[in-house]
Amino acid sequence: QVQLVESGGGVVQPGESLRLSCAAAGFIFSQFGMHWVRQTPGKGLEWVAFISYHGSNQYYVDSVRGRFTISRDNSQNTLSLQMNRLSDDDTAVYYCAKGSVVVPDAFDIWGQGTMVIVSS
Amino acid sequence: DVQLTQSPSTLSASIGDRVTITCRASQSIRDWLAWYQQKPGKAPKFLIYKASTVESGVPSRFSGSGSGTEFTLTISSLQPDDFATYYCQQYESYPLTFGGGTKLEI
Repeated sequence: QVQLVESGGGVVQPGESLRLSCAAAGFIFSQFGMHWVRQTPGKGLEWVAFISYHGSNQYYVDSVRGRFTISRDNSQNTLSLQMNRLSDDDTAVYYCAKGSVVVPDAFDIWGQGTMVIVSS
Repeated sequence: DVQLTQSPSTLSASIGDRVTITCRASQSIRDWLAWYQQKPGKAPKFLIYKASTVESGVPSRFSGSGSGTEFTLTISSLQPDDFATYYCQQYESYPLTFGGGTKLEI
């Protein structure tokens, strides 16, 4: 069964760090680009970051570049998002998403999401 | 960045209706557009890519059209399971962006 399972969300204070993980199963993880997408009630869906199948290429939305780092471990079928210097604006549900077979920058499989709350 | 504007933001319809949702891009994105369906508390579901190609397993009542800056998602005959929020997403350039969503309600 193809699935993505996120973990690592929680409540942190502004300025703190958090690391999200996403465990992949049911497909050949090392063959697909992977993404993080977040969702807030006020701002809807926002793409956050992408990593290529081999891990050599990463792209970020401007608002997180320099603070967030996407990485992957193809030997463990795991995707990660290291989030530093968190602010209130980073409060959201974070989804990991798999790039589709035909369109790597569209998302054909999503995890269930993990909630990140940044609050003092 | 490419801005996507969806309309309407809310759409009221009935079972069996044909409905159309529009997504307009701030610049040409050719046909590099996807559509998703999201139900409350759930992750989005991939419906359509390349503006008009329906993903495997998606019911045939869903269709997409358009190119350049104007796109539509059509549901030919609404079923109870279709009441949800729909989002468009462009993948012509980074940063990838989504429309603001259209809530389809009874």
